[in-house]
Amino acid sequence: GEDVEQSLFLSVREGDSSVINCTYTDSSSTYLYWYKQEPGAGLQLLTYIFSNMDMKQDQRLTVLLNKKDKHLSLRIADTQTGDSAIYFCAESARGNNRLAFGKGNQVVVIP
Amino acid sequence: GAVVSQHPSWVICKSGTSVKIECRSLDFQATTMFWYRQFPKQSLMLMATSNEGSKATYEQGVEKDKFLINHASLTLSTLTVTSAHPEDSSFYICSATGITYEQYFGPGTRLTVT
Repeated sequence: GEDVEQSLFLSVREGDSSVINCTYTDSSSTYLYWYKQEPGAGLQLLTYIFSNMDMKQDQRLTVLLNKKDKHLSLRIADTQTGDSAIYFCAESARGNNRLAFGKGNQVVVIP
Repeated sequence: GAVVSQHPSWVICKSGTSVKIECRSLDFQATTMFWYRQFPKQSLMLMATSNEGSKATYEQGVEKDKFLINHASLTLSTLTVTSAHPEDSSFYICSATGITYEQYFGPGTRLTVT
């Protein structure tokens, strides 16, 4: 089955880098995602990575995937106050558009 | 593009009444829509998956007679919480997929049952 684990809270100073981690258990996961949720709002897809990739960079975001350890991380460079939010990782399997979400990681950016 | 809306954004209802939440894909045809429930400071829990024109598939533990889902068109799905109770108070989020597997999420509906 699908089980996604995340740590809970991270505070970071504005301008620093922040790293959020996630582990998953389903080895059949094909797509792994990072979503951002601001207070009282829905989820915004930030980026995703295919399971055959090790790394993906998109502007300030870098996703690293260690498929052997089933570990996914999101690095946000030059963190801004607007990055304060809850970040969820999620996975889906090939041919299956159902998402399994982690518990979320709240990031608080200190000015 | 790929905008999903929900209505209402916030609703308060009395215990025992029913409330309907709408989810619309505004600029694409949504072949599949998903309904999630999110408790404070917790993750999203998938409640059900609905495909246009067919019955919804509910996740284990979700009462289909209590959470009625209708996906009558390619741009609209509704979730009706019947005979609502305070424990049904939650944040309900829908998402939709079109021809790709990417899910686009609505802004959520906060339901408070008094």
